[in-house]
Amino acid sequence: EVQLVETGGGLIQPGGSLRLSCAASGFTVSSNYMNWVRQAPGKGLEWVSVIYSGGNTYYADSVKGRFTISRDNSKNTLYLQMNSLRAEDTAVYYCARDLPSGYYGMDVWGQGTTVTVSS
Amino acid sequence: QSALTQPASVSGSPGQTITISCTGTTSDVGSYYYVSWYQQHPGKAPKLMIYEVSSRPSGVSNRFSGSKSGNTASLTISGLQAEDEADYYCSSYTSSSAYVFGTGTKVTVL
Repeated sequence: EVQLVETGGGLIQPGGSLRLSCAASGFTVSSNYMNWVRQAPGKGLEWVSVIYSGGNTYYADSVKGRFTISRDNSKNTLYLQMNSLRAEDTAVYYCARDLPSGYYGMDVWGQGTTVTVSS
Repeated sequence: QSALTQPASVSGSPGQTITISCTGTTSDVGSYYYVSWYQQHPGKAPKLMIYEVSSRPSGVSNRFSGSKSGNTASLTISGLQAEDEADYYCSSYTSSSAYVFGTGTKVTVL
């Protein structure tokens, strides 16, 4: 079964760091475009970052320079390193896979992990 | 990276047809056929309903269809059913090699 499971969320003080993990099963992370998407409480979806199968990475302006997306091929896991966290980073964070074979559209989503930035 | 513009809410009676618009710019919707639509029920992860403007993933009802004209994409739901009540988001690839989501539309089945 194709599945994504996020872990690593929690309560963190402003200025702190957190690393989210997204373990994949049923497919190979490194062969797909993989995304992080977040949703603040009561708000809409916000795209955060993507890592392409070739390794290129891109970020939303709101997180550029603070967040880093990466993957561990041996663990078939996607990561999001979040530094210099702010209150406005509080959200449910989802990892999501783009359709295989280069199609654009996120067809597999995790259940989400909650990040709360507060003192 | 401004969010794509969607109506805040759309409603319809069971069996009716509704359309949700998604307006962007020449840097996103207007330049690419990489527009997708997602359905999200409360407390759940989003579900892909349409990709690349008008393609449906396997398992998605053919009551859902997508189109695009210029800088505006649209999602049409025909034969509206109670289970279609949810939030809907559009998304587009952008000229910055990024994605942008729409503001979201709450669909209410009367």
